[in-house]
This record gives sequence, C-alpha cells and structure tokens, in this order.
Amino acid sequence: SQTIHQWPATLVQPVGSPLSLECTVEGTSNPNLYWYRQAAGRGLQLLFYSVGIGQISSEVPQNLSASRPQDRQFILSSKKLLLSDSGFYLCAWSFATETQYFGPGTRLLVL
Amino acid sequence: GDSVTQMEGPVTLSEEAFLTINCTYTATGYPSLFWYVQYPGEGLQLLLKATKADDKGSNKGFEATYRKETTSFHLEKGSVQVSDSAVYFCAPGNAGGTSYGKLTFGQGTILTVHP
Repeated sequence: SQTIHQWPATLVQPVGSPLSLECTVEGTSNPNLYWYRQAAGRGLQLLFYSVGIGQISSEVPQNLSASRPQDRQFILSSKKLLLSDSGFYLCAWSFATETQYFGPGTRLLVL
Repeated sequence: GDSVTQMEGPVTLSEEAFLTINCTYTATGYPSLFWYVQYPGEGLQLLLKATKADDKGSNKGFEATYRKETTSFHLEKGSVQVSDSAVYFCAPGNAGGTSYGKLTFGQGTILTVHP
C-alpha cells in the first residue's frame, strides 16, 4: 500500500531564515505531487504541483519554491521566510483518478 | 475557472442530529466530486467521492449524490456522533481530464458535535 510522509511535523523559524520541507511517497511510481498551504485552519491553497521529476508548476506567485529531485520526493523551500509564510503545509499525491492522498502536514510558525 | 461554494459554518449539532453541508460548484464539463475530512491537527482524508451524474458516494454513514442539474454535491449524515467533529471540504476535480488531476477545494465547514 502507498504511504506519504512529511517532515518535520512542526517547525518554528525566525523571519529571514531559510526553509526546507520534505515530502516522500512510498509504494507507488510516477505519482503527481502537490504542495498546499492551509492558513487559519481552513481553506487550502494549491502552491505547486508536479507531474514528474524536475517538472514543477507554480499556482501562485510567492516567496516559496518547489523541487522534485527524485520520483517520489517533493521539497518545498524558501531562501528567506516571511511572517506570512506561517501556516499548515500539506503534501499530497495522486494518479489520473484524481483522488488525492494527503500527508500528515507540517505546521510552520515564523516569528 | 472552476469554483466551489460550500456552506460557511461553523455548524454545531447535538449527537444523533441530522447533518447537511451544502456544496455547489461551477466547472466545464462533468468533473469527479469529492468530500474530504480533516480531524484536528491532521492532514485531509478522503471521505467519499462520485465520478458521474446520479452516483452516490458513501462512507462511515455519510452520503452525497452527484446532481448534474443543480451542480451540487451536498453531504448528509442521518445521525452524527461526537467523533464526526472535524472540518469538511468539498472538492470538484478537473473535468478536462488533464493528467495532473487538480482539485478545487472549498473553504471548509467546521462541524462540532456535542454529546
């Protein structure tokens, strides 16, 4: 069966510091991968998605970037965090069936 | 572009009450439709889905019927439990059939069930 992991689970970072969040999927090959941000515990905003290694599409302009160095690895990064980057970051995977399966999330607090 | 309108909430019910959370969407074509649930502090879990008109998705006592005429996918449960307290998200899929399978999420409806 497939599983999806995210780490760290919680992160507190100062403004201006770099960021690296990691997501890995096990038990499948060539999945579509997604990064979402959830602010204030409510709606989800799609940040990036990827259909293959090195293929990244950005949904909204922002202070963040994403990379997919391996088939089942998806990384969310920032060179300098802003206060507004605080939130709950969720990674998800899917195939063409469209059903997306989510990881446990990373809670980021920027101070 | 595609959009989804979901009942605002929060919704507060007593245990064993009937639940309805409304969801309507706009989309080109006939997308698959999903309901996801998020328990406190966790990621989202698929609750149920329907892939074509008049299909009924069901799981854990929850049901939703794909209504093409009204472009709706309302979530219902006949008797809620305290353990159903969570945030519920409606999400139409990408009817264009593109390979990346994007979903459009509603803003979420907070449900609180009291004993």
